[in-house]
Amino acid sequence: DGGITQSPKYLFRKEGQNVTLSCEQNLNHDAMYWYRQDPGQGLRLIYYSQIVNDFQKGDIAEGYSVSREKKESFPLTVTSAQKNPTAFYLCASSWLAGGYTATQYFGPGTRLTVL
Amino acid sequence: AQTVTQSQPEMSVQEAETVTLSCTYDTSESDYYLFWYKQPPSRQMILVIRQEAYKQQNATENRFSVNFQKAAKSFSLKISDSQLGDAAMYFCAYHGSSNTGKLIFGQGTTLQVKP
Repeated sequence: DGGITQSPKYLFRKEGQNVTLSCEQNLNHDAMYWYRQDPGQGLRLIYYSQIVNDFQKGDIAEGYSVSREKKESFPLTVTSAQKNPTAFYLCASSWLAGGYTATQYFGPGTRLTVL
Repeated sequence: AQTVTQSQPEMSVQEAETVTLSCTYDTSESDYYLFWYKQPPSRQMILVIRQEAYKQQNATENRFSVNFQKAAKSFSLKISDSQLGDAAMYFCAYHGSSNTGKLIFGQGTTLQVKP
């Protein structure tokens, strides 16, 4: 059954802790993305990766880090430097076609709450 | 910089009726893609419909269709024969040829479907 999985569904973090959100896809997509969604707002891009071992910052990368060691995996670490991490985090993936990134498909999301 | 604007925070429609959600965007690019995504209470983003800017024909997917006006930079979504399951937040999104990896989202429109 092809798709994008994110875990955990809910995550609670204490002040000063780093936490890692998992994102896995078995669609054989080249590119993967992390977005953040705050209540009543659209999505904002945190990081994206088009190939293994390479990634680029999005609009709000401060306080976050990523790795892309395998094509199917793109974990996001929320560090203690992120001042307001409580939000809904969505992972997406897509094909690369003709130099343009194609349609993005999303995972079910992780809700992160700072205690 | 590209922007996407959804001017209707909330809309409602009677079951079986038709509703149109508005979206405008600003760009200086000639090649780009436009999308409508649906986010139901589960919060997973689901692709509804996609439009390539170079195509003059409006995209359709079953009960969903768009009115793409490139000169006016307008991209509205029409939902025909509305169903209770259509109730969700709908996001308009832009992907440009120079925005490798980045979808730019509008603020969203919450659609209520009344039985």
